[in-house]
Amino acid sequence: SQQGEEDPQALSIQEGENATMNCSYKTSINNLQWYRQNSGRGLVHLILIRSNEREKHSGRLRVTLDTSKKSSSLLITASRAADTASYFCATVSGNTGKLIFGQGTTLQVKP
Amino acid sequence: GAVVSQHPSWVICKSGTSVKIECRSLDFQATTMFWYRQFPKQSLMLMATSNEGSKATYEQGVEKDKFLINHASLTLSTLTVTSAHPEDSSFYICSASPGQFYEQYFGPGTRLTVT
Repeated sequence: SQQGEEDPQALSIQEGENATMNCSYKTSINNLQWYRQNSGRGLVHLILIRSNEREKHSGRLRVTLDTSKKSSSLLITASRAADTASYFCATVSGNTGKLIFGQGTTLQVKP
Repeated sequence: GAVVSQHPSWVICKSGTSVKIECRSLDFQATTMFWYRQFPKQSLMLMATSNEGSKATYEQGVEKDKFLINHASLTLSTLTVTSAHPEDSSFYICSASPGQFYEQYFGPGTRLTVT
């Protein structure tokens, strides 16, 4: 089952612009993770944010987490054509360790 | 480190035949492995969780007799799609983890086409 919604479903921007993707989830979580998937390929882990954290940075990536709203956002600054991919949030809840994925956002960065 | 491989990367089979997909952790011991299915332009759906040496736990709606999972060693899990049908055509992705609450490392996926 899917955990929640991601918006927008598709995003097209020019190189150099910032891209923001949002993720909402339904249940309480242990942590939330963001992944990137290039077309037809496997997933690349980008960043993990724990339920007691509000913001995390990694290079050009900035993730926020609002547990009161059950939502997270991923900001990619100074985007590059190579950032073109699908981005998924995934949550871990309870004691199973299972990842439940959101619907994903398809990002296109035009050179 | 933390490399997971899948074999084959793509396979075409005839309806009614069975297909086995392998997932290997190359540089760590994977106590837990997960199998996902992804249809075109959709997200990943968890199919099952397997722990080394025990039976897999399947998600609701996934037929365990159709999708046979074996996790016989700490570096290998296999998914066998039995009596495949065209609707089983999908992208199958595995992930491996050193433990149930550790980070999951994803394989590159296997594209299955059933004709």
